[in-house]
Amino acid sequence: GAGVSQSPRYKVAKRGQDVALRCDPISGHVSLFWYQQALGQGPEFLTYFQNEAQLDKSGLPSDRFFAERPEGSVSTLKIQRTQQEDSAVYLCASSARAPTNEKLFFGSGTQLSVL
Amino acid sequence: AQSVTQLDSQVPVFEEAPVELRCNYSSSVSVYLFWYVQYPNQGLQLLLKYLSGSTLVKGINGFEAEFNKSQTSFHLRKPSVHISDTAEYFCAVSLYGGYNKLIFGAGTRLAVHP
Repeated sequence: GAGVSQSPRYKVAKRGQDVALRCDPISGHVSLFWYQQALGQGPEFLTYFQNEAQLDKSGLPSDRFFAERPEGSVSTLKIQRTQQEDSAVYLCASSARAPTNEKLFFGSGTQLSVL
Repeated sequence: AQSVTQLDSQVPVFEEAPVELRCNYSSSVSVYLFWYVQYPNQGLQLLLKYLSGSTLVKGINGFEAEFNKSQTSFHLRKPSVHISDTAEYFCAVSLYGGYNKLIFGAGTRLAVHP
């Protein structure tokens, strides 16, 4: 596709449910990031993939959060036993290569509401 | 550790007036600096970035920013704003030599009024 695509656009979950958020990066992009954006805040880093390798998961807030990118393209962020504090917009971003100055392309995000 | 402070959460301004959105950062190592814009229901878009060289950086849509190392600032400016500039603006840093892991400020909401 022309840009980074995320689905679903909105997700409502009951507390305790598991959710899976999908990211389709731009075709051929090596780097993929997940960010969490709470209401009224800037995005916060969750995890980073270079191809299928998860090189940094230091931002994942708990072991309930899990991300994968098994074939180096599509990525899924899974949250188990969701809590109200997980409510946020989850952003995915990709770039063509790994160096720091590469332009990041962001998706429109998945807005997760945990009731 | 690195951090980014955006000094104004909201900036109201009239159309065709100049605007400055302030950003300060803290880091013990060299960083790259970025400004991103987020329009409603859209992903973040890169406005401009400072990697090295000239401290005055020009970006898209008539925006520019100046890197001031001594003041650890990277303020964003536009000489004449339009209604369409109404959006959320985020300042961010990433580590020199790293892999583009961005650390964002809390954002500044620019509201342009007719």
